[in-house]
Amino acid sequence: DVKVTQSSRYLVKRTGEKVFLECVQDMDHENMFWYRQDPGLGLRLIYFSYDVKMKEKGDIPEGYSVSREKKERFSLILESASTNQTSMYLCASSQWENNQPQHFGDGTRLSIL
Amino acid sequence: GQNIDQPTEMTATEGAIVQINCTYQTSGFNGLFWYQQHAGEAPTFLSYNVLDGLEEKGRFSSFLSRSKGYSYLLLKELQMKDSASYLCAVRGHGSSNTGKLIFGQGTTLQVKP
Repeated sequence: DVKVTQSSRYLVKRTGEKVFLECVQDMDHENMFWYRQDPGLGLRLIYFSYDVKMKEKGDIPEGYSVSREKKERFSLILESASTNQTSMYLCASSQWENNQPQHFGDGTRLSIL
Repeated sequence: GQNIDQPTEMTATEGAIVQINCTYQTSGFNGLFWYQQHAGEAPTFLSYNVLDGLEEKGRFSSFLSRSKGYSYLLLKELQMKDSASYLCAVRGHGSSNTGKLIFGQGTTLQVKP
């Protein structure tokens, strides 16, 4: 079974802090994704990566950056956390073939105070 | 633009059949996925359609009509544990090899005794 592991299930940080969310997958997947999920807005793509050191902006990249130094690890960085970044953050990974689904981690519920 | 529409909420009775519809308008088409997401948990993959027709997997079936930009998820013999959100997602043109998906906002299904 594919395992996507997010470093924290719950996290509380303060406004202005630099926040790191880590995600690791164990299936040698090429593609990795970061989403946030908010009530009434669904899943929104922040950033994704299709190879080591490659990254592309999703639909809502403002205020975020990412790092993919190794194939199995994809990090999301909130440069200066703000209260409107309080959300559920979901990491996913997939193989490159069209018929392969994305597999999700359990999510990190992040609260910015 | 790219758009995926699903009903926001549905209610059904235990033991019954329910159909959850999804319509999409995307730049090209490379497959449609259905996910199930229980409250507070990660989305899990249910089905994949790329050709027109019905794909059956036990109590769950998914149908696709590419000419109509339409899919549905059919749940038979409903059980209380089927109460969850159901997400429709499309892989559009140019998403090959990146695995990128466009998600609908999800349909929250409540199964009543």
